[in-house]
Amino acid sequence: GDSVTQTEGQVALSEEDFLTIHCNYSASGYPALFWYVQYPGEGPQFLFRASRDKEKGSSRGFEATYNKEATSFHLQKASVQESDSAVYYCALSGTGGYKVVFGSGTRLLVSP
Amino acid sequence: EAAVTQSPRNKVTVTGGNVTLSCRQTNSHNYMYWYRQDTGHGLRLIHYSYGAGNLQIGDVPDGYKATRTTQEDFFLLLELASPSQTSLYFCASRGGDYAEQFFGPGTRLTVL
Repeated sequence: GDSVTQTEGQVALSEEDFLTIHCNYSASGYPALFWYVQYPGEGPQFLFRASRDKEKGSSRGFEATYNKEATSFHLQKASVQESDSAVYYCALSGTGGYKVVFGSGTRLLVSP
Repeated sequence: EAAVTQSPRNKVTVTGGNVTLSCRQTNSHNYMYWYRQDTGHGLRLIHYSYGAGNLQIGDVPDGYKATRTTQEDFFLLLELASPSQTSLYFCASRGGDYAEQFFGPGTRLTVL
């Protein structure tokens, strides 16, 4: 079945550092890919999506590019802030279906 | 702004107990989902539905039943609760195949 892999369980950075969180997926066809962010005590919030090869999604300074060849959708931000500290989830929705599968999440800790 | 509410927000029960978690969305969305969230596992899909009376099996369905009584209401039932079901449960709704999910605030369930 469809799956999403996030290799980093936790990432620790200082303010203004460059961020990359890796996301790889396994699914047939062209799934829709998503990034969500979760702050303590809240449910996950939609960050952005991409639905076709080479499409870039972006929001709040975060971005990711759909790479079908590499089956990847890596999250990046040029300069993180302490307020970006949260858990980030990569997710996919398979072609022609409404099932949504999430990765295991990556906790980002940004120190001032 | 899409709205998803969950009740109760916290629940404590004993092993073998009967628990019902409730979710309501006022977004007129067709799709609704139940996830559990555990450290190291991220969000795991229990059951989902694309409309009243419909139910689809997710990735971790054992020990859970669900029922979608109306377009707005989706219930998760634990008929013989076990300590392994202690978790944080999230409900979500979604308007279409490539649309984002809107999450509720979560229900923390403890099974003693």
